[in-house]
Amino acid sequence: ETGVTQTPRHLVMGMTNKKSLKCEQHLGHNAMYWYKQSAKKPLELMFVYNFKEQTENNSVPSRFSPECPNSSHLFLHLHTLQPEDSALYLCASSHRGNTEAFFGQGTRLTVV
Amino acid sequence: EDQVTQSPEALRLQEGESSSLNCSYTVSGLRGLFWYRQDPGKGPEFLFTLYSAGEEKEKERLKATLTKKESFLHITAPKPEDSATYLCAVRSLETSGSRLTFGEGTQLTVNP
Repeated sequence: ETGVTQTPRHLVMGMTNKKSLKCEQHLGHNAMYWYKQSAKKPLELMFVYNFKEQTENNSVPSRFSPECPNSSHLFLHLHTLQPEDSALYLCASSHRGNTEAFFGQGTRLTVV
Repeated sequence: EDQVTQSPEALRLQEGESSSLNCSYTVSGLRGLFWYRQDPGKGPEFLFTLYSAGEEKEKERLKATLTKKESFLHITAPKPEDSATYLCAVRSLETSGSRLTFGEGTQLTVNP
């Protein structure tokens, strides 16, 4: 069992669809993150959750809706996305504070 | 605002040809600096954490060093399997306790 697992690995969705990305961590961490990675751009922080509470929303459009039911699971609900939202979406987890974050393999999202 | 700049953008080496990657950062108090390796289509893989100037960490052919303004990732006698994008990230004392700010990465290619 890998440390941080994301599903699905690939997703193609139309602009009117609703879909969800799932992330699960088995590391006993208490902080979870969503990052977006677009071509030729740095990883862009979207949301941070600490102990299930959202502590950071980096001005993300409301068509992205995160959910963190417990410290091990994180979801990203998607609706009415735009083609420019196509990217690699990465989930990560860490102990809160100074420690390193561990990433999942990502979901490659294509919006058509 | 935290800033991370990595150079060069791309580096091509021959197998066995040692070199260094640079990560320059601007933060209001460094909580930690992190190096990751990312293979195409995959999530970043954690390599090192550095906390204070003068600190060094080593792993196989890789060695990371830290000063008050920059970090270097030294690659000694690289092999083709070291080809990847290397990412640098910082966590500062000023921002949220969990946020990581990433640079754009250095794409390393090692030719046999």
